[in-house]
Amino acid sequence: DQQVKQNSPSLSVQEGRISILNCDYTNSMFDYFLWYKKYPAEGPTFLISISSIKDKNEDGRFTVFLNKSAKHLSLHIVPSQPGDSAVYFCAASEDGATNKLIFGTGTLLAVQP
Amino acid sequence: KAGVTQTPRYLIKTRGQQVTLSCSPISGHRSVSWYQQTPGQGLQFLFEYFSETQRNKGNFPGRFSGRQFSNSRSEMNVSTLELGDSALYLCASRGLFHNEQFFGPGTRLTVL
Repeated sequence: DQQVKQNSPSLSVQEGRISILNCDYTNSMFDYFLWYKKYPAEGPTFLISISSIKDKNEDGRFTVFLNKSAKHLSLHIVPSQPGDSAVYFCAASEDGATNKLIFGTGTLLAVQP
Repeated sequence: KAGVTQTPRYLIKTRGQQVTLSCSPISGHRSVSWYQQTPGQGLQFLFEYFSETQRNKGNFPGRFSGRQFSNSRSEMNVSTLELGDSALYLCASRGLFHNEQFFGPGTRLTVL
């Protein structure tokens, strides 16, 4: 049972445009959500997170939106840069105090110059 | 500040053998978690340690075990290796006042 789903395995975007990566979840007990970026042969790198008490969090070019009623979150990258090309994972936890993260399957983002 | 380090980076074993992987967290971090990444199952939580105590465990068989030492370094052990254990094993550490986990580069285990 996949509790966190990223339905788009890949996404291609032109440099300078907006990248929107989507994530859906089924477990209503999730209260903390994170996005990680992963390059081949490296561990995931933390990008941005959001608590369930918020609906938006911004950090530079990255913004995460949370729609609890739809059990949906999205990551916006504006403007997209070629260096953003990587696999993006969303992850969720039931308790921000613990480390148990449930990851989505990932979306491969390709930013074309 | 040095990041999470994992040793070895690559490992080849045969079925039936056992393996021990090591993880050194970021200095000052007392919480360590382990994840398995495979093409079929994605990233899956194995277990979590805080101050030498296992706080949480994922849905893996008892062949997978771990421990944490007083200096926060952690090891995970897989006994009686199976072909399906071939994976990238990732360790992550977390500071006391942070919600995010910081991952190491992983250990690539191949079981032949």
